[in-house]
Amino acid sequence: AQSVTQLGSHVSVSEGALVLLRCNYSSSVPPYLFWYVQYPNQGLQLLLKYTSAATLVKGINGFEAEFKKSETSFHLTKPSAHMSDAAEYFCAVSDRGGTSYGKLTFGQGTILTVHP
Amino acid sequence: EPEVTQTPSHQVTQMGQEVILRCVPISNHLYFYWYRQILGQKVEFLVSFYNNEISEKSEIFDDQFSVERPDGSNFTLKIRSTKLEDSAMYFCASKEASTSGNTIYFGEGSWLTVV
Repeated sequence: AQSVTQLGSHVSVSEGALVLLRCNYSSSVPPYLFWYVQYPNQGLQLLLKYTSAATLVKGINGFEAEFKKSETSFHLTKPSAHMSDAAEYFCAVSDRGGTSYGKLTFGQGTILTVHP
Repeated sequence: EPEVTQTPSHQVTQMGQEVILRCVPISNHLYFYWYRQILGQKVEFLVSFYNNEISEKSEIFDDQFSVERPDGSNFTLKIRSTKLEDSAMYFCASKEASTSGNTIYFGEGSWLTVV
């Protein structure tokens, strides 16, 4: 069984500050890992994904995440927060192969607030 | 950019009533999914659908739920007799193929409120 833990249900940063959203996963097989973002009243938008290529993955809007197998982590970072980054962020894991790819297991979500 | 569209965006229904949530996946996609998110809880997998049949379903997806692809474009989720605990945001999603790296695209969701 797979699981995802996002540390911190709420993270608050100042505009221009570093954004760090933490995600740890548990998987019995090498995972695929994803970060999705949900803006108010919108659906889930893919930020980035790790699918066994480079361990440092770059996504949209200046976000990136690093897959660390030894730490079972996939933390999301952005060097400088912007007001428009305020949203809820979800980490998700999927095992590899077959139709189970697509059965995403989500974390609880982290609400990011950006202060002026 | 292609997108997954869902209707209605919000529906209020009385307990015991049937509800059909509709989705139009991206046109060349082959895998279709429903997820739900109860307020304040995780996004949960409900069911996946491929080649006109369910490929996987969760424990949540009991006999009260069904999915259908009635034509070449729509993908529906039916709840036969709604319960209060079915109140949630329901997300439809689709994916192009089973090979690695394909992105799963989500719709904007349908809010279901059961009263």
